[in-house]
Amino acid sequence: NAGVMQNPRHLVRRRGQEARLRCSPMKGHSHVYWYRQLPEEGLKFMVYLQKENIIDESGMPKERFSAEFPKEGPSILRIQQVVRGDSAAYFCASSPGQGAPNSPLHFGNGTRLTVT
Amino acid sequence: GQQVMQIPQYQHVQEGEDFTTYCNSSTTLSNIQWYKQRPGGHPVFLIQLVKSGEVKKQKRLTFQFGEAKKNSSLHITATQTTDVGTYFCAGPQGAQKLVFGQGTRLTINP
Repeated sequence: NAGVMQNPRHLVRRRGQEARLRCSPMKGHSHVYWYRQLPEEGLKFMVYLQKENIIDESGMPKERFSAEFPKEGPSILRIQQVVRGDSAAYFCASSPGQGAPNSPLHFGNGTRLTVT
Repeated sequence: GQQVMQIPQYQHVQEGEDFTTYCNSSTTLSNIQWYKQRPGGHPVFLIQLVKSGEVKKQKRLTFQFGEAKKNSSLHITATQTTDVGTYFCAGPQGAQKLVFGQGTRLTINP
């Protein structure tokens, strides 16, 4: 009965490199959300996806960030040409049924990205 | 857009004291959810409130949803060290997503 699986748990990148964060939702969940959490801060919505569709990307920075949830395989959050300000914890969450905001979110353990 | 404000940002208590965190929205909410995040951990769903004036209890935790469905509170009676963490409220924004308050970070002196 696996929960939301995120990998890697920790990721270190140098400035200018690319970061790829992966998320497999809970079995039976078709709604995937990505949130970013800066140290000592709250959770900021980034993007909401269903299979092969981006539903709401209003929280994504306009440049360098992209997300996908292909028909097969995990959801990917991709950050190109990382900068120090991208250092944060990135949480993926999934939900059943009709999705948020009417269903609870199940969060993964997060990926802690450090940009050096 | 709709915002969810949470106070206080930090709260430090002696073990055994009570703790309350408050959540306020600029607009009426269809529901409100509460999550707990332990230090170094990930948010974990606690409860969802839907009805105006609703009160729900989970052991020492009491959750309330205001009559106008614009505010909510979480009260912990007789805190224990296992209660340490950050408590977030979250409310809908539009039909698609959940927005989180800034969280209240609870620390406890044993």
